Amino acid sequence: DTAVSQTPKYLVTQMGNDKSIKCEQNLGHDTMYWYKQDSKKFLKIMFSYNNKELIINETVPNRFSPKSPDKAHLNLHINSLELGDSAVYFCASSQDFGSGTGELFFGEGSRLTVL
Amino acid sequence: AQTVTQSQPEMSVQEAETVTLSCTYDTSESDYYLFWYKQPPSRQMILVIRQEAYKQQNATENRFSVNFQKAAKSFSLKISDSQLGDAAMYFCAYRSPGDDKIIFGKGTRLHILP
Repeated sequence: DTAVSQTPKYLVTQMGNDKSIKCEQNLGHDTMYWYKQDSKKFLKIMFSYNNKELIINETVPNRFSPKSPDKAHLNLHINSLELGDSAVYFCASSQDFGSGTGELFFGEGSRLTVL
Repeated sequence: AQTVTQSQPEMSVQEAETVTLSCTYDTSESDYYLFWYKQPPSRQMILVIRQEAYKQQNATENRFSVNFQKAAKSFSLKISDSQLGDAAMYFCAYRSPGDDKIIFGKGTRLHILP
């Protein structure tokens, strides 16, 4: 049973389109994250939600909007896609700092290609 | 702001040999977590090993061990008896208790030579 699952795994779309990536975790974690991995493999945090509340919002264009309908789900919507948005987007979850083992549990990543 | 530095973009090691990947970090916190993650070509992020800062004993997981030097803010990963399946990107990561960010280094690509 997959712990952190994201869909779709691959997404190819045209510039200017709007797309969403969905993420679900069944680990009972309170915190969920979106990370972006660029072509040089650099992993950068974008957003973090704790129990549906936005905690971390890094310098990300307004075209990116996360939504957490409940603590098991964190979706990412991207408006007006640009070439530079092409990347792999990872969803992850973890227990709160000081609880459990502290690490991130990652989904398999969603590779977004903007043409 | 906390930073994580991996100074070796790429490394190669002969199969069955030992290799050490370097990681340094910058923080003013006394309690935090450190991790090494592996990312094979499949792109799945896999936890290799974790270290809690308040524990002085270095973590070990089978062929993987760390050398945690808290005062020097150094957290290197040693892979013993390297296997072909160890070929991957390796990321060092730091988790802060304050803002609860988990920050990654830029990664080290490890090649295993048969």
